[in-house]
Amino acid sequence: SQQGEEDPQALSIQEGENATMNCSYKTSINNLQWYRQNSGRGLVHLILIRSNEREKHSGRLRVTLDTSKKSSSLLITASRAADTASYFCATATGGSYIPTFGRGTSLIVHP
Amino acid sequence: KAGVTQTPRYLIKTRGQQVTLSCSPISGHRSVSWYQQTPGQGLQFLFEYFSETQRNKGNFPGRFSGRQFSNSRSEMNVSTLELGDSALYLCASSLGGSVEQYFGPGTRLTVT
Repeated sequence: SQQGEEDPQALSIQEGENATMNCSYKTSINNLQWYRQNSGRGLVHLILIRSNEREKHSGRLRVTLDTSKKSSSLLITASRAADTASYFCATATGGSYIPTFGRGTSLIVHP
Repeated sequence: KAGVTQTPRYLIKTRGQQVTLSCSPISGHRSVSWYQQTPGQGLQFLFEYFSETQRNKGNFPGRFSGRQFSNSRSEMNVSTLELGDSALYLCASSLGGSVEQYFGPGTRLTVT
């Protein structure tokens, strides 16, 4: 079963709007990562947040982590058509660094 | 630095055949992981190689195997192909012990 589950499954917004997607997970994690995948291509690493961190920023991306709720969110501000992609959260648990991926959120940004 | 490369990019095989996919990691990366991505199961971890040794293995049948060479290049082999093996196979490299992985563009395998 998937460790992380993204919500919503699909998101459609206009250019310039903010996009928020969430990830919930079941067991305690060492870290959580967000990846982006353009249609049928490889994944691109966006942000890594460790279990002792609460928030991280990278350009227009903001990631939060709430370990008490076992959830994380990815915010993309001022979205662009080029942000159209699938976004995955990936968690590593226990002594493993191998990430387990969720099913992803499909984001469409309309120009 | 050049990114992770995978060959071939597309492949069509027939049930019962076998296939070998290749992955060249980023220079200096010694860890190579393989993933299978399908619409139904999502991204699933196959195995990880580090310094020519399989270090971690996912929950896949023995038909799926891999190896890593001394230059860190890796191959994965699938024998006796089944229709359900149709998927995007992704390779990712990392420094080894590093959480952040760098993915290749994938090999799209279609089994008919």
